[in-house]
Amino acid sequence: KAGVTQTPRYLIKTRGQQVTLSCSPISGHRSVSWYQQTPGQGLQFLFEYFSETQRNKGNFPGRFSGRQFSNSRSEMNVSTLELGDSALYLCASSLLLSYEQYFGPGTRLTVT
Amino acid sequence: KNQVEQSPQSLIILEGKNCTLQCNYTVSPFSNLRWYKQDTGRGPVSLTIMTFSENTKSNGRYTATLDADTKQSSLHITASQLSDSASYICVVSEGSGTASKLTFGTGTRLQVTL
Repeated sequence: KAGVTQTPRYLIKTRGQQVTLSCSPISGHRSVSWYQQTPGQGLQFLFEYFSETQRNKGNFPGRFSGRQFSNSRSEMNVSTLELGDSALYLCASSLLLSYEQYFGPGTRLTVT
Repeated sequence: KNQVEQSPQSLIILEGKNCTLQCNYTVSPFSNLRWYKQDTGRGPVSLTIMTFSENTKSNGRYTATLDADTKQSSLHITASQLSDSASYICVVSEGSGTASKLTFGTGTRLQVTL
């Protein structure tokens, strides 16, 4: 069974640009969560989706948004990029809400 | 505020030696505690998940313990191997256990050397 895949794996953007990251969950999993990981902060929760609906949102500005499609694939978008947005963005999928999460390899975003 | 603190921040040990990583938490109400291993440049991989009633759980050379009274957990690695070099993250789940209710520690960076 294929694991969680994230594309692209690496991305370099400049301040002010916007970026879209993609996550394909494990087949059959209906819940997708997104996290930001930085060296000093650890993993910070961004959003959680289930059946195309955002169930929870973390404490991030409105520049961070996301969505989930009918096939459970998810995308997150960051507009007006700032230097502080440089991080590893991780996606995790689970069969249902509150079930064990399986993480993807992440997308390394660098903002210059 | 819910918090998860891990110690030490980093650790270097010789191959074949044992080590113990610590996790203290203040999350309430407690649902479960998870230990993840994260290799450099990869996503975290689950090692163990423990609920309130479990005080020890093993996964090969990894053994996690939980003391829900003192709100402490430890991860013991036996006979370390070079492949154990990674960050180990303690995660505590509150209440419903959904992703928004997870509190992550900042991890212990373990390096196993020859």
